[in-house]
Amino acid sequence: GESVGLHLPTLSVQEGDNSIINCAYSNSASDYFIWYKQESGKGPQFIIDIRSNMDKRQGQRVTVLLNKTVKHLSLQIAATQPGDSAVYFCAETAPPGGGNKLTFGTGTQLKVEL
Amino acid sequence: DAGVTQSPTHLIKTRGQHVTLRCSPISGHKSVSWYQQVLGQGPQFIFQYYEKEERGRGNFPDRFSARQFPNYSSELNVNALLLGDSALYLCASSIQGRMPGANVLTFGAGSRLTVL
Repeated sequence: GESVGLHLPTLSVQEGDNSIINCAYSNSASDYFIWYKQESGKGPQFIIDIRSNMDKRQGQRVTVLLNKTVKHLSLQIAATQPGDSAVYFCAETAPPGGGNKLTFGTGTQLKVEL
Repeated sequence: DAGVTQSPTHLIKTRGQHVTLRCSPISGHKSVSWYQQVLGQGPQFIFQYYEKEERGRGNFPDRFSARQFPNYSSELNVNALLLGDSALYLCASSIQGRMPGANVLTFGAGSRLTVL
């Protein structure tokens, strides 16, 4: 569902720790999932994506896990750095919309403490 | 390489006015999508254009319209502005196709619209 107000869920982690950001989705027909990072004053930046025929995908310092049974997506960031501080959005898309008609989640504010 | 560029970056309008926002996609990208991001929320899909044709429309009133030009740049128009139209308007482009990564959206920094 949509969020209301300005109070995003916040995750605070210490520099060097691992971060896990969670996302629940509702559309069982969704077949493509993406994580975006949005820094203040900027547009969303692509981090990693995963298709529904996979349950795990790894990138540089990031891992996305997909659990279709419970419609849950997570983003793991290893050795979190101050530059990782941002709002993180999960997004999904389902046929026939394709990759351009994304449905974004509420967003999670990640704060990295020194 | 230049990313997705949007103009203007900020603008202030009053209720009832009209606004035109512009977007230049990454060179070689033929698909342009528009999203509205209200403060504190995730972006919401408005339109997708590919090869100058509308390929998708989100749940927005007819006051919102868009078009894509032969050079693949795009305009988003909003008529009869309401206070609730105040938001960050994001443009995103993609190559579009079946190859890996072709449908990954690259977003611009957005146009911040304030309606008074």
